[in-house]
Amino acid sequence: GDSVTQMEGPVTLSEEAFLTINCTYTATGYPSLFWYVQYPGEGLQLLLKATKADDKGSNKGFEATYRKETTSFHLEKGSVQVSDSAVYFCALPAAGNKLTFGGGTRVLVKP
Amino acid sequence: NAGVMQNPRHLVRRRGQEARLRCSPMKGHSHVYWYRQLPEEGLKFMVYLQKENIIDESGMPKERFSAEFPKEGPSILRIQQVVRGDSAAYFCASSRLQGRRENEQFFGPGTRLTVL
Repeated sequence: GDSVTQMEGPVTLSEEAFLTINCTYTATGYPSLFWYVQYPGEGLQLLLKATKADDKGSNKGFEATYRKETTSFHLEKGSVQVSDSAVYFCALPAAGNKLTFGGGTRVLVKP
Repeated sequence: NAGVMQNPRHLVRRRGQEARLRCSPMKGHSHVYWYRQLPEEGLKFMVYLQKENIIDESGMPKERFSAEFPKEGPSILRIQQVVRGDSAAYFCASSRLQGRRENEQFFGPGTRLTVL
């Protein structure tokens, strides 16, 4: 079945550091891919998405490129801020409309 | 344009009581999904509903859990005879379209259930 694997956290960084969160997937066909972010005590917000191979999703300085050849959708940001501290989830829509999530990666950015 | 609404935001129940969680989808959305997030874990799909129909309940525990999305009113996730292991955050999401490429789901703020 469809699945998503993302690197485990927590990831602790200093402000202005470079962030990468790895995400790989297994899926039939070519689904859209999503990154969601969950700030402390809140629900999930869609951060960015890509709908086909080689698409690059971007938002708030974050980027991720849909790589069909490596079945990956790694999230990157060049210079993180304290306000980026959150849990990040990679996800894809599996059969039957449900979203399949990775386990989440907690990111802590220190001043 | 209001987002997905969930209430209550926090719910405390004693073992054996019933928990009722409500979700109002975004305006114009007819697809509703429920997910559960156990402490320190990712989200797991529970059930997918359209108005008056359960489309996929493959993630729902076989006993004590039920869901509905009536013609009028919010979607309800009901947990009967709660146990401590039901303590979790329950998130509702809605979407306007279906199909894997278009299926962007918008999430509510969640209901955090604590069972004493």
